[in-house]
Order: sequence, then structure tokens, then C-alpha cells
Amino acid sequence: RKEVEQDPGPFNVPEGATVAFNCTYSNSASQSFFWYRQDCRKEPKLLMSVYSSGNEDGRFTAQLNRASQYISLLIRDSKLSDSATYLCVVNINNQGGKLIFGQGTELSVKP
Amino acid sequence: NAGVTQTPKFQVLKTGQSMTLQCAQDMNHNSMYWYRQDPGMGLRLIYYSASEGTTDKGEVPNGYNVSRLNKREFSLRLESAAPSQTSVYFCASSEVEGSEKLFFGSGTQLSVL
Repeated sequence: RKEVEQDPGPFNVPEGATVAFNCTYSNSASQSFFWYRQDCRKEPKLLMSVYSSGNEDGRFTAQLNRASQYISLLIRDSKLSDSATYLCVVNINNQGGKLIFGQGTELSVKP
Repeated sequence: NAGVTQTPKFQVLKTGQSMTLQCAQDMNHNSMYWYRQDPGMGLRLIYYSASEGTTDKGEVPNGYNVSRLNKREFSLRLESAAPSQTSVYFCASSEVEGSEKLFFGSGTQLSVL
């Protein structure tokens, strides 16, 4: 079983739609969680951290469920510019060598 | 505002050839990393350097060597390239080890024939 698993998609949604991605992790010792965004053929960039109480950044909401070992990302009012691959990232023990990336979920927002 | 610069952007090698991927950051970061990205696999850590003078193996170190030349530069060497090393390679840096905010270079598309 992969340490971090995501549905690869693609998710094809119309502009204005709400879309949610889930990510599961296998190591219960995982301590911190993040979402990165990667545009086609570009480098990944940090989108947001995921806090235990859930957190929001504009149209983006991230949530963590430690009991079930999954995190989620909700995007409201999708824009064409949201089209990208979203990478779930888990940090085990807050060590640099233990930053584990999921394979990513592809989102395509259509007009 | 360069950030993380890696070279080359594209490279084609024959099996058995060697090459070095260069990476430099100008943000005074302590930690640097080399990842590879393959379809359906996500980014996998090859080697990392928590601070100048130290290097450690990541998840997939076999067939690679690294050098932390100074605080700015972290190179990745393929001594004898194999087709299984065909991938996109990303260098990254962070202020400290364990920081979630990684800054990535623009990537190197490597093909080994």
C-alpha cells in the first residue's frame, strides 16, 4: 500500500463548480499535512497547510481527519485557472527526509 | 529573483553515460533536496542535505550520488545511466529541514536510451 494515496482523476468540472479531493495516508505517525499545486510541466508550489481544526484560504478549504487518516481539499467556485494537479503531502516526524508526496489529482475546469 | 535554478532543462543520454545535474539556490536556505517524478508515482526523494556538509539517502538513492558543494549548491550525479532513470528531476530547497515550504526548481527532463 502506498504511504499517501490520491485518486488520480482527472476531475473534469465546469466553471463555478465545487470540487473536493481526498487523500489517505497510511502512517499514523504522520505529523503535518499540506497541499501542493503543480501546473502542467511546471514545478510544484505550496498551496496550503492543513491544520487539525481545518483551515480556509479564500475559495480553498482543507480538512484533516486523523482518526480515519485522510485529508481533503475543497475548491469552491472553480476557475479556469484552478486547472492543475493537486499533490497531497505528508510529513512524518517533521523530518526533511520524510516528506511524502501523493501521485496527485488532476483537475480540469472547463468553460 | 532566481530562487532555485537547475540545469540542464533537458538531457538525452545513452545507457552507461554519466552526467551531473546542477542546482543552486539564492535564498540562503539550509536544506536542499533532489526528487524524481514519474507518471503515477508522485515525487520520490532521491537524496537530501539537511545542512551544508551533510547528505542523506531518500527513498530511491540507488544509481545516484550527490554533493553539497556549499550552502548554495547541491548536485546530483548519475554515474552510469540506465533507462529506468528516465524521469523528470526536481531540485528543491527549504529554510530548514522539516519545513513544509519547499521551493522547487523548474525541473530537468532526462531520457536515457
